[in-house]
Amino acid sequence: SQTIHQWPATLVQPVGSPLSLECTVEGTSNPNLYWYRQAAGRGLQLLFYSVGIGQISSEVPQNLSASRPQDRQFILSSKKLLLSDSGFYLCAWRSSGRRQYFGPGTRLTVT
Amino acid sequence: GESVGLHLPTLSVQEGDNSIINCAYSNSASDYFIWYKQESGKGPQFIIDIRSNMDKRQGQRVTVLLNKTVKHLSLQIAATQPGDSAVYFCAEKADAGNMLTFGGGTRLMVKP
Repeated sequence: SQTIHQWPATLVQPVGSPLSLECTVEGTSNPNLYWYRQAAGRGLQLLFYSVGIGQISSEVPQNLSASRPQDRQFILSSKKLLLSDSGFYLCAWRSSGRRQYFGPGTRLTVT
Repeated sequence: GESVGLHLPTLSVQEGDNSIINCAYSNSASDYFIWYKQESGKGPQFIIDIRSNMDKRQGQRVTVLLNKTVKHLSLQIAATQPGDSAVYFCAEKADAGNMLTFGGGTRLMVKP
């Protein structure tokens, strides 16, 4: 069966510091991968998606970037965090079907 | 946990009652819809989905109804249990890239 992992689970970072969040998927090949952000009391905002290694599409211009160095690895990064980057970051995957499956999330607090 | 749902609409039901969570969508070209359940501090969990060529689909204790005429989607939960307490999101897909557009969510609170 397929599983999706995200780490770290929680992170507190000062403004201006770098960021690296990792997402890995097991049990499937060549999945579509997605990064979402969820602010408190809000829905999910799509940040990036990837259909393959090295292929990244950005949905929202922001202080963040994404990379996909391996088939089942998706990384969300920032060179300098802003206060507005705080939120709950969710990685999701989709294989041949239409359903997206989400990871457990990373709660980021920028102080 | 994550404070998801601070400003979300809330539906409060008694344990054992049926719950109906509603969702309106705006894109008449949407051809696929999906419901997720999100508990505090966790990622959304798939509940049920439906394609636009269907009006109704049933799962275990859940039913999704789709009314394309008024662009309305609903999730019905039978015999609601305390474990059903969570925020529920609907999402629609309208483009060929399989991007989902999420609604704002509804918090379901089950009273024992």
